[in-house]
Amino acid sequence: GDSVTQMEGPVTLSEEAFLTINCTYTATGYPSLFWYVQYPGEGLQLLLKATKADDKGSNKGFEATYRKETTSFHLEKGSVQVSDSAVYFCALSEGGATNKLIFGTGTLLAVQP
Amino acid sequence: NAGVTQTPKFQVLKTGQSMTLQCAQDMNHEYMSWYRQDPGMGLRLIHYSVGAGITDQGEVPNGYNVSRSTTEDFPLRLLSAAPSQTSVYFCASSYSGAWGHNEQFFGPGTRLTVL
Repeated sequence: GDSVTQMEGPVTLSEEAFLTINCTYTATGYPSLFWYVQYPGEGLQLLLKATKADDKGSNKGFEATYRKETTSFHLEKGSVQVSDSAVYFCALSEGGATNKLIFGTGTLLAVQP
Repeated sequence: NAGVTQTPKFQVLKTGQSMTLQCAQDMNHEYMSWYRQDPGMGLRLIHYSVGAGITDQGEVPNGYNVSRSTTEDFPLRLLSAAPSQTSVYFCASSYSGAWGHNEQFFGPGTRLTVL
């Protein structure tokens, strides 16, 4: 079945460092891809999404490009802030009539001042 | 808009007890779902609903029941709690259709401990 694999954490960075969190997927069809973020003690919220190959999603300085040839959707940010400390989840939607999401295991990001 | 609300925030049960986790949304979303979050496993889908009166099983449905009598509410029932059901439970909602492109909105979660 469809699945999502993302890099293990925790990832610890200094403020203003460059961030990459790797995400690869396995899918039989043409999924939509998402990054959700979970701040401490809160539920998940959508960070960005891409619905077809070569789409780039972006929000709050974060970017990810839907690469069908490498089945990847890596999350990047050029300069992280302490406020970016959170757990980041890569997810795919199988499409069709439902919105079922398949999540990766999550990557904890800790940004130090 | 309150968005997606969940009650209670925390709950401790003894093995064998039953309880209902409440979830409500005020965005008129057709699609609602329940996930559980466990360390190192991400979120896994328990049950979902595409509209009032329609529910279906997700990846890990055993030990849980759901019903959807209204568009707004989607309660999750634990029939006989087990320690393996210790987890954080999230409810989510979204518009249906659009072939999976729709953003899902998550509640703040319920942290359940079963002793």
